[in-house]
Amino acid sequence: SQKIEQNSEALNIQEGKTATLTCNYTNYSPAYLQWYRQDPGRGPVFLLLIRENEKEKRKERLKVTFDTTLKQSLFHITASQPADSATYLCASVTYKYIFGTGTRLKVLA
Amino acid sequence: DAGVIQSPRHEVTEMGQEVTLRCKPISGHNSLFWYRQTMMRGLELLIYFNNNVPIDDSGMPEDRFSAKMPNASFSTLKIQPSEPRDSAVYFCASNKIASGGADTQYFGPGTRLTVL
Repeated sequence: SQKIEQNSEALNIQEGKTATLTCNYTNYSPAYLQWYRQDPGRGPVFLLLIRENEKEKRKERLKVTFDTTLKQSLFHITASQPADSATYLCASVTYKYIFGTGTRLKVLA
Repeated sequence: DAGVIQSPRHEVTEMGQEVTLRCKPISGHNSLFWYRQTMMRGLELLIYFNNNVPIDDSGMPEDRFSAKMPNASFSTLKIQPSEPRDSAVYFCASNKIASGGADTQYFGPGTRLTVL
């Protein structure tokens, strides 16, 4: 079955460092991958989308890569700030949306 | 724009009772999605509608769950009878499908359901 996996362990990093989150998919080839941010008690909020024919996408301090050979997407936050602390969800898009369970990021001041 | 509106925000009920969750999508959006989120299983798609028509309900866990979208501005998700394992946060999301697909989904604040 189609599966999308994110590291369920929380990621703690120091302020100013680059945070890197991983999303892996198996048994299918999504045309797009999306990344969302979710804060406690709130719904996910869209951040970035990357298509299968794009290797990299950037938006301000955010960068997403899409490696169809490794079946993996990496999400980077450069110059991280405590305000970046949240859960980040990866979603694949084929004929429907499939979300990963999310990775909780904590940026320490 | 008010965004996606969900009600109630919190619902506590007893096993066996009927529960109805409500959603108002963003005006102009033509697709609506119902999700369930738990720690163990993450965010799971239950059902989605396009132009008020149910397209894929394969995620609906069982016959106790039903969803309707009588018009473009309102949808309900009903659980009858409810069970403790239905306890979760239920999200509604909407978007406007354009050519090229992969449109951003806009999520509501969610309804936290607790079934005792």
